[in-house]
Amino acid sequence: SYELTQPPSVSVSPGQTARITCSGDALPKQYAYWYQQKPGQAPVLVIYKDSERPSGIPERFSGSSSGTIVTLTISGVQAEDEADYYCQSADSSGTRVFGGGTKLTVL
Amino acid sequence: EVHLVESGGGLVQPGGSLRLSCAASGFTFSSYAMHWVRQAPGKGLEYVSGISSSGNSTYYADSVKGRFSISRDNSKNTLYLQMGSLRAEDMAVYYCARHNDDYDGVDCWGQGTLVTVSS
Repeated sequence: SYELTQPPSVSVSPGQTARITCSGDALPKQYAYWYQQKPGQAPVLVIYKDSERPSGIPERFSGSSSGTIVTLTISGVQAEDEADYYCQSADSSGTRVFGGGTKLTVL
Repeated sequence: EVHLVESGGGLVQPGGSLRLSCAASGFTFSSYAMHWVRQAPGKGLEYVSGISSSGNSTYYADSVKGRFSISRDNSKNTLYLQMGSLRAEDMAVYYCARHNDDYDGVDCWGQGTLVTVSS
């Protein structure tokens, strides 16, 4: 079955830039989406269609795509950004799939 | 305000069945596609199933295909997930989620209902 691969963890200091990658063979043909999940809470969509930001999401969140890798970038990381981040896309048949998740730690 | 409230979770033996419900309010339910997403304790998100706004199209992850069935009753503003032949690996919190066509992503989630599969 199709898999999206994310690093298990990323650590950054406040004010620095965090980059979280997600790789998958179908990413050149399928959009990627990013969700933020804080402990005990439901996920929140932070990026859609590779690089678009939903209303209400801070500008420091951005997304990009290059071939089989998509990247979530958080510029000027704040303590409140500490969370698990999941990429989501679809396989060639359109069935949605999530990546394994990346725990962002703000040092 | 948009609300999604799941129910129907609980303890079930391996091989058993369970039906989850998701009651929607605060929006025109019949205009939105819906999804079920699950999360095993301490683990990541896993897509389970989706259904179009009319109910005419359904989608399943390979891991549940043939065992789970998604449906909806737009007259009752309710989404369902019929689960059968349950396995230990199906144990998780099951979230009901609303699909936003503008974003082509999920913009609202329920609080989840826990399904425990154990003898």
